[in-house]
Amino acid sequence: EAQVTQNPRYLITVTGKKLTVTCSQNMNHEYMSWYRQDPGLGLRQIYYSMNVEVTDKGDVPEGYKVSRKEKRNFPLILESPSPNQTSLYFCASSPIGLAGVNEQFFGPGTRLTVL
Amino acid sequence: GQQLNQSPQSMFIQEGEDVSMNCTSSSIFNTWLWYKQDPGEGPVLLIALYKAGELTSNGRLTAQFGITRKDSFLNISASIPSDVGIYFCAGQNNNAGNMLTFGGGTRLMVKP
Repeated sequence: EAQVTQNPRYLITVTGKKLTVTCSQNMNHEYMSWYRQDPGLGLRQIYYSMNVEVTDKGDVPEGYKVSRKEKRNFPLILESPSPNQTSLYFCASSPIGLAGVNEQFFGPGTRLTVL
Repeated sequence: GQQLNQSPQSMFIQEGEDVSMNCTSSSIFNTWLWYKQDPGEGPVLLIALYKAGELTSNGRLTAQFGITRKDSFLNISASIPSDVGIYFCAGQNNNAGNMLTFGGGTRLMVKP
């Protein structure tokens, strides 16, 4: 089954304790992206990657890191989480077509709480 | 970053009614997308629009890409209870790293 998977689905942690949220897709998509969703703000892009070893900042990259060592994986790293990073996080992937990146497929989400 | 204004923020309607929601932007987009998010799930793509003026249907859903490329609307006809969820518009500008910019969402509630 074609899908985007994220782990963990739920995480409660404390300020300053490094964490990684994994994302994997099995559709051989070039493009992958991380978003955070907060009430009233919709989804805001954190980082994206157009291909292996190519990553770029989105709208809200502060406090986050990513890596793209393999095509299928795009982990999100919070080196020193803070309470304002409490949010619902989505990973997405997409093929890169003639019209550019489009039709992104989303994972099920990771709900992160930072105390 | 760019801002998308999506309205209304929420709607509470009777089953069978038609629904309309829209998004406007201060900037031009090359692509407009409409997503639906069910509780506890990630957004799922409903309709993609690639050309100004384009009108596209997907079952009871119809969406249009505005002529000015700064707006789009989504209509749902004859709503049913499973239409409940949050609907998001998203615009993509190929000149901006192909990033998607999302609207704030429209929460739709349907009364049986």
